[in-house]
Parts: sequence; C-alpha cells; structure tokens
Amino acid sequence: NAGVMQNPRHLVRRRGQEARLRCSPMKGHSHVYWYRQLPEEGLKFMVYLQKENIIDESGMPKERFSAEFPKEGPSILRIQQVVRGDSAAYFCASSPAGPGGQPQHFGDGTRLSIL
Amino acid sequence: GESVGLHLPTLSVQEGDNSIINCAYSNSASDYFIWYKQESGKGPQFIIDIRSNMDKRQGQRVTVLLNKTVKHLSLQIAATQPGDSAVYFCAENSAAGNKLTFGGGTRVLVKP
Repeated sequence: NAGVMQNPRHLVRRRGQEARLRCSPMKGHSHVYWYRQLPEEGLKFMVYLQKENIIDESGMPKERFSAEFPKEGPSILRIQQVVRGDSAAYFCASSPAGPGGQPQHFGDGTRLSIL
Repeated sequence: GESVGLHLPTLSVQEGDNSIINCAYSNSASDYFIWYKQESGKGPQFIIDIRSNMDKRQGQRVTVLLNKTVKHLSLQIAATQPGDSAVYFCAENSAAGNKLTFGGGTRVLVKP
C-alpha cells in the first residue's frame, strides 16, 4: 500500500510568489492534516480537513495561507505572496477516521525555501 | 542574541544497550499518546501509541509507559541498533481534539 504522498519534495520560490503543496492521503483515508516544522523543532498543527470540508484551521495564519481537500484529487496547501519566514518543512498526515484515538500517518514532506 | 529554534537534547547510546526517552505533557485532557521516529529528510514514522486507560504498552523492541499523575510519557527501546538513530517525538491528542500536539523531540545517537 502506498503511504501518504507529498509533492514536490523540494520547492524554491522567490518572495512574493505563490507556493502550492500537494498531498495524497493513504488509500482509504479521508482525513488530512497539515503540519509545519522548523529545523530542530517539533511539528506544529496547521489545519485539519475532510473531503470538501475544513474542520479545524486554528493553526493556520489568517492571511496568505489556505487549504483545500476536494472531492477528487489531492489536498492542496496554498501560500500566497511568500515571505522568507515561510521557509520550513510542511508535512501532511492522514488517518482513516477522526483524530481522536487514531494514529496519523505522515508523508515525507515538502521543503519550502524562499529566496 | 536568542537563537531561533532549540537545540534538541541528545541521548548517546551504545549499540546493544537499552534507551529511554522521556516526554512531559501539559494537557490533562489528553487521552491518546503517540511516539514517532523521524529520520533526516523524512516524515515522522509511527512507532507505538497508548490510550489513557493504560499505563504500559509493548511492541517489538519498544515499550511505552504512561504516568498520568505526573503527566509523563516514556519510550524504551530494547537492544538499541544503529538504525534506531533518529529524532523521537511524543505527541498527544484528546478524543475531542482535532490535532496532535508534538513535544520538542530527542535525538538518539547510537554508537557502534
């Protein structure tokens, strides 16, 4: 079984450009989570989505960041007008049911670098 | 000046010895806990989980202990191998919560 797939693995953008990060959950998983990780730190929750719905976006900045999980296709994390501080590793996780009491399985992340 | 980010605590272990990694959590409402292993350039890999109605759970070469009284979690790795070298994170969740809250991580270095 394929695990959580993220692409691209590395993304370089200049300040002011847009970044689109994609995540395909594990087969049979309908719950997707996005996390951000700075070097030498733990992962920080950003957003939790089910198909076509945002359930919890309490960890996502109000401006420039958006996420979606359409009925068909991967989940997308979109960062508009990127700034240097957006440089980080962004990880996606999925689970077969809601987060309480279920392990989340992670992809290998997208490393975003802002020039 | 203050550095951005924290240097991870490091546990150096001789190959073949047992490792113990500790984690303190703060949310009394947390009732589900997971240990993840993260190798360089990769995502967190699930190791073992435990629910709050248990105080011990064993897997293959790993044991997780939960002490709810002092809000403490530990991961024991038996007969540590070079492949165990990685950063280990504990994470907590609650049945009503929507997210995992990660601890700061511990780097394990296995010496041959």
